Amino acid sequence: RKEVEQDPGPFNVPEGATVAFNCTYSNSASQSFFWYRQDCRKEPKLLMSVYSSGNEDGRFTAQLNRASQYISLLIRDSKLSDSATYLCVVSGAGSYQLTFGKGTKLSVIP
Amino acid sequence: SQTIHQWPATLVQPVGSPLSLECTVEGTSNPNLYWYRQAAGRGLQLLFYSVGIGQISSEVPQNLSASRPQDRQFILSSKKLLLSDSGFYLCAWTKVSGGEKLFFGSGTQLSVL
Repeated sequence: RKEVEQDPGPFNVPEGATVAFNCTYSNSASQSFFWYRQDCRKEPKLLMSVYSSGNEDGRFTAQLNRASQYISLLIRDSKLSDSATYLCVVSGAGSYQLTFGKGTKLSVIP
Repeated sequence: SQTIHQWPATLVQPVGSPLSLECTVEGTSNPNLYWYRQAAGRGLQLLFYSVGIGQISSEVPQNLSASRPQDRQFILSSKKLLLSDSGFYLCAWTKVSGGEKLFFGSGTQLSVL
C-alpha cells in the first residue's frame, strides 16, 4: 500500500457543483494532515489543515477518519477559480517529513 | 511575517553542467528546510531535509547534494547534471517542531538538455 493515495481524477465538474476528494494513508501513527492546492507550474499552497473533529473554511470542509485512515475534502458551490490540483499531505509521528499524495486535478467548467 | 525566497525561477542547463539553486527564509529562526522535486505528471518527491546548520538528510540516492551554510539558507547542487534531473524544484520550510505546515518557495523549473 502506498503511503498516501488519492483519487486519480481528473474531476470535471460544472460551476456550482459539489465535489469530494478522498485520500488514504498507510501510517497509522500519522499525526498531522493537510490539503494543499497547486496551480499549474506554481508552488503548492496550504489550503487547510485537517483536524480530528473535522473543520470547515467557507465552501471547503475537511474530514479525518483515523479508524479507516482516510481524509476527505468537500468543495461546495464550485467556482472556476477552484480549478487546480489538490494534494493530500500526511506527516508521521515524530517525523520531520511530510508525505504528499500525487494529487487530484479538478477542472470547474462554466 | 515569514517569507521564503527561491531563485532562479527558470533554468536551462546542458547535460554535464553544474547546478546551484539557492533558497533563503526570512522572519524565522532555526527552521526545518526541505528540497522537493516534482517531475512532469508526478508527485512531490522529497530530496533533502535539514534540521540545522550543516545537518543534511538525503532521502533519495542521486547525483544531487544539499548544503546549509547558514541557519536560513539552503542550497541544492550538482556537479554534473543528467537529463533525468529535469523537473520543478521546490524549497520549503516548517517550524522546528516538525509535522507542522509546510510553506514553499515559488520553485525553479529546471530543464536539462
